Amino acid sequence: QQQVKQSPQSLIVQKGGISIINCAYENTAFDYFPWYQQFPGKGPALLIAIRPDVSEKKEGRFTISFNKSAKQFSLHIMDSQPGDSATYFCAASMVEDSGGSNYKLTFGKGTLLTVNP
Amino acid sequence: NAGVTQTPKFQVLKTGQSMTLQCAQDMNHEYMSWYRQDPGMGLRLIHYSVGAGITDQGEVPNGYNVSRSTTEDFPLRLLSAAPSQTSVYFCASSPFEKRAETQYFGPGTRLLVL
Repeated sequence: QQQVKQSPQSLIVQKGGISIINCAYENTAFDYFPWYQQFPGKGPALLIAIRPDVSEKKEGRFTISFNKSAKQFSLHIMDSQPGDSATYFCAASMVEDSGGSNYKLTFGKGTLLTVNP
Repeated sequence: NAGVTQTPKFQVLKTGQSMTLQCAQDMNHEYMSWYRQDPGMGLRLIHYSVGAGITDQGEVPNGYNVSRSTTEDFPLRLLSAAPSQTSVYFCASSPFEKRAETQYFGPGTRLLVL
């Protein structure tokens, strides 16, 4: 059962355009929604994250929009640049047990973004 | 700080061979984990540890063993490699209180099992 569904698989955008990546989750116990950015040959790195008590978070050109009722969230990259070309993963996390020693971080399958100059 | 380091960067194994993927971090993070990344599958958790001497299974633990004798090191062992274990392996670490928020990933080990 895929708990975090991400789309599209790949995306091509022209320089200066807006890149939009969408994710949907199933488990309402998720309480933290990070986005990771991964460049070729590198490990993923945290880009931006949001909690479900807010509908939007913006950091520079990157914005997360969050719709709790629809169980959906999306990443918007404004004024996309060739340097933004990377694979983007959405994720959702929650603490699994009352002791807090285990938590579940579930990743989407990733979106390969290409920004053409 | 070097952050999270992984060795080797690339390894070729024959079916049935064993090997250990090394992971070390110098940030004094309590939480460490191993993920595998396969095309179109995202990242899947193999094993994790909340501190020295404590390990537990993740989503896809079969065929892998881990141990955590120190805070810094968290090696992943393949006892008898299979072609299905061909993948890119990432180690990650986090402060315990931030484990559900931020994971610091290493550069990865690309493993090919023939």
